[in-house]
Amino acid sequence: DVKVTQSSRYLVKRTGEKVFLECVQDMDHENMFWYRQDPGLGLRLIYFSYDVKMKEKGDIPEGYSVSREKKERFSLILESASTNQTSMYLCASSPTGTGARGYEQYFGPGTRLTVT
Amino acid sequence: GNSVTQMEGPVTLSEEAFLTINCTYTATGYPSLFWYVQYPGEGLQLLLKATKADDKGSNKGFEATYRKETTSFHLEKGSVQVSDSAVYFCALWMDSSYKLIFGSGTRLLVRP
Repeated sequence: DVKVTQSSRYLVKRTGEKVFLECVQDMDHENMFWYRQDPGLGLRLIYFSYDVKMKEKGDIPEGYSVSREKKERFSLILESASTNQTSMYLCASSPTGTGARGYEQYFGPGTRLTVT
Repeated sequence: GNSVTQMEGPVTLSEEAFLTINCTYTATGYPSLFWYVQYPGEGLQLLLKATKADDKGSNKGFEATYRKETTSFHLEKGSVQVSDSAVYFCALWMDSSYKLIFGSGTRLLVRP
């Protein structure tokens, strides 16, 4: 069974802290994505990566950075957490290649981050 | 820009009722369209897709038809079950941008 796992289901951090959210996939997928999910706004893309050490900004990258040192792992970093970053964070992965499409994304269960 | 609009929820139905969740889109070009579903405590999973106009996607009793003339992709199911209670997201994909664009989600609650 394919799997995307996220390091924590719930996280509480203080304003100004540096926060790391980890995502691991076991499907050997090339593409990985970080989204945030907010009520009434759906999912918004923060960053994505189509290969190791490669990254592309999504629609709302401000205040975030990412790291992809290994194919299976994609980390989201909040350099200095703020209360407006309180949200649900979802990681996803998708394959590339003949017959594969980036839109068929497999999601982790999410990390609910609260910044106080 | 490209966007997806779906009906606000929650939608509350009794078991075996007919379901429609409306979705319309705005896009330059020819997007592919999707419905994703998020069950409680889980990540999203792809429910069905349609990659060109007039295609009908179907899965688990759910259907949606890609209507280019009305820029719509409404989700339907003839008889819902309690286990269908979830949040449903309509989404579009453009190969040119390599991004999924999601609607705001519609929560469905099915009562026994």
